[in-house]
Amino acid sequence: DIQLTQSPSFLSASVGDRVTITCRASQGISTNLAWYQQKPGKAPKLLIFAASTLQSGVPSRFSGSGSGTEFTLTISSLQPEDFAAYYCQQLLTYPITFGEGTKVEIK
Amino acid sequence: EVQLVESGGGLVQPGGSLRLSCAPSGFSFSDHYMDWVRQAPGKGLEWVGRSRNKANRYTTEYAASVKGRFTISRDDSKNSLYLQMNSLKTEDAAVYYCARAGESSGWRDFDSWGQGTLVTVSS
Repeated sequence: DIQLTQSPSFLSASVGDRVTITCRASQGISTNLAWYQQKPGKAPKLLIFAASTLQSGVPSRFSGSGSGTEFTLTISSLQPEDFAAYYCQQLLTYPITFGEGTKVEIK
Repeated sequence: EVQLVESGGGLVQPGGSLRLSCAPSGFSFSDHYMDWVRQAPGKGLEWVGRSRNKANRYTTEYAASVKGRFTISRDDSKNSLYLQMNSLKTEDAAVYYCARAGESSGWRDFDSWGQGTLVTVSS
């Protein structure tokens, strides 16, 4: 199975900060990576697919980059509604796997 | 508007069975891959399994942790997706989400999710 390791697990940031979350794959997955945002008690929401393509309706302050084994999700200017958990997910091969998540909290 | 509505969750004893349902609307159900993803309380996301689309004969894939115990099926006449869960274990307790795979990415992500249904496994 392909393991995805996210870092950090937790980060504390302020409104307006630039935030970067990293996802490392245990083997190369090309650009077969997606990012999700999940708020407490809610279903996940797709932010980025194919490593860097912004899902329709997602604000442009979110961006994704990377290929192979290292990927990043960047929020250029953190907004109050961005405080949430973020997960990466791969489908190069089955089983589909998720990273453990990164919780972004208000400093 | 795409909508996915799960139902069927509840309390079941270890070793018992439960069937979850997902009612999709707002898109052509038979054309899409559909998945089940679960989340144990306070934990991360775990993929459970997939049903491919009609063009791919609704073939399925499962996570190792549920293979042989869980079965995904569809009923196009009722526009419904199902997850039959047998031989349930305490570690199967979670919120179960129905998710639509994204066609834009070649079915490699989940672009719509239901609200989830809670399964509790306890004696």
